[in-house]
Amino acid sequence: AQSVTQLGSHVSVSEGALVLLRCNYSSSVPPYLFWYVQYPNQGLQLLLKYTSAATLVKGINGFEAEFKKSETSFHLTKPSAHMSDAAEYFCAVTHDRDDKIIFGKGTRLHILP
Amino acid sequence: KAGVTQTPRYLIKTRGQQVTLSCSPISGHRSVSWYQQTPGQGLQFLFEYFSETQRNKGNFPGRFSGRQFSNSRSEMNVSTLELGDSALYLCASNRGGANEQFFGPGTRLTVL
Repeated sequence: AQSVTQLGSHVSVSEGALVLLRCNYSSSVPPYLFWYVQYPNQGLQLLLKYTSAATLVKGINGFEAEFKKSETSFHLTKPSAHMSDAAEYFCAVTHDRDDKIIFGKGTRLHILP
Repeated sequence: KAGVTQTPRYLIKTRGQQVTLSCSPISGHRSVSWYQQTPGQGLQFLFEYFSETQRNKGNFPGRFSGRQFSNSRSEMNVSTLELGDSALYLCASNRGGANEQFFGPGTRLTVL
């Protein structure tokens, strides 16, 4: 069965510092992987997705993620954090275009001034 | 293009009551999925409807049910409400087979 593990329910970084949010997946077949962001009192918004085309995926707002099959990881990074990046981030996986998407428990990102 | 809309945005019910939540997907989207979001459990998949048929289902009791209409609008029903049903219920739509989910703002249900 597929699953997603996000390491760290809360992550704090200083403004201007590197953002690294960790995600490990479990899937018996090549997965589709996603990162979503949720701002307070809003639904989720897609940041980026991996669909086997390229291992380094660039998303919106300067975020990117690298698919590493050997490590079963899909970590999210951003070179320089901005105050507006404070939100909750969710990693998600599915193994089929028509299958349900499984979400991780989320990581709340705090930006320190 | 209008986004996914959910009504109502907030709801307060008491134990034992039932509730119906509504979701209108983006025009042209045929798939609607429902999720329950709580601080302890995160986002949990409830079910997905595609062209009026339930295509995928999560591990929730039968008190949780849904349906989809011919115009792709979807409703979710929870009967015999329990305190633990208090959550943010999110609806998401996609074109079907496209994976990327577009989420609505959610309905926050409080059960007293």
